[in-house]
Amino acid sequence: KQEVTQIPAALSVPEGENLVLNCSFTDSAIYNLQWFRQDPGKGLTSLLLIQSSQREQTSGRLNASLDKSSGRSTLYIAASQPGDSATYLCAVKGETSGSRLTFGEGTQLTVNP
Amino acid sequence: DTEVTQTPKHLVMGMTNKKSLKCEQHMGHRAMYWYKQKAKKPPELMFVYSYEKLSINESVPSRFSPECPNSSLLNLHLHALQPEDSALYLCASSQVYFVPGNTIYFGEGSWLTVV
Repeated sequence: KQEVTQIPAALSVPEGENLVLNCSFTDSAIYNLQWFRQDPGKGLTSLLLIQSSQREQTSGRLNASLDKSSGRSTLYIAASQPGDSATYLCAVKGETSGSRLTFGEGTQLTVNP
Repeated sequence: DTEVTQTPKHLVMGMTNKKSLKCEQHMGHRAMYWYKQKAKKPPELMFVYSYEKLSINESVPSRFSPECPNSSLLNLHLHALQPEDSALYLCASSQVYFVPGNTIYFGEGSWLTVV
């Protein structure tokens, strides 16, 4: 059974800092990995989708990498801003899970002005 | 337009009430999903509809009844719920279900409180 772990569970940084969020998964047989952002009491916003054949994806200040063989992904946020404060979730779509998404527990990020 | 719209945003219902949550997307997506999310937990899959047919039911109690009237609409009918069913209910859609590369788009959710 696929398990997804996100470290750290919570992170507080000053504005302007570059930061890395980590996601690991136990079964490397995945189709893709997706990073989401969730603001308190709101739905999920898709940030980046990395296919299993890709190594990284970039969007603005966000860069996500994928090392499928080692079961790891990182989300790099450059020059963090208070508006980046949210919970960040990673989810994998597994080859052996009927294409279901398996989510991590999330990293709660606070960027202090 | 990458929008999934859910109504109502908030719903309070008694344990004997019957209510419905509604979801709509106009992206031409043929896969639609219901997820349940408890506080500080990740979303849990409940149902998947593919081409308006129920493809996956994750052993959800029968007091939750999904319906997909057409390719743009998804409903979740609620009856005789329990207080522990209080949660954020998220609707999502993707182009098709079994194609691995699809991005999944989520709505803002409906907050349900059962009293």
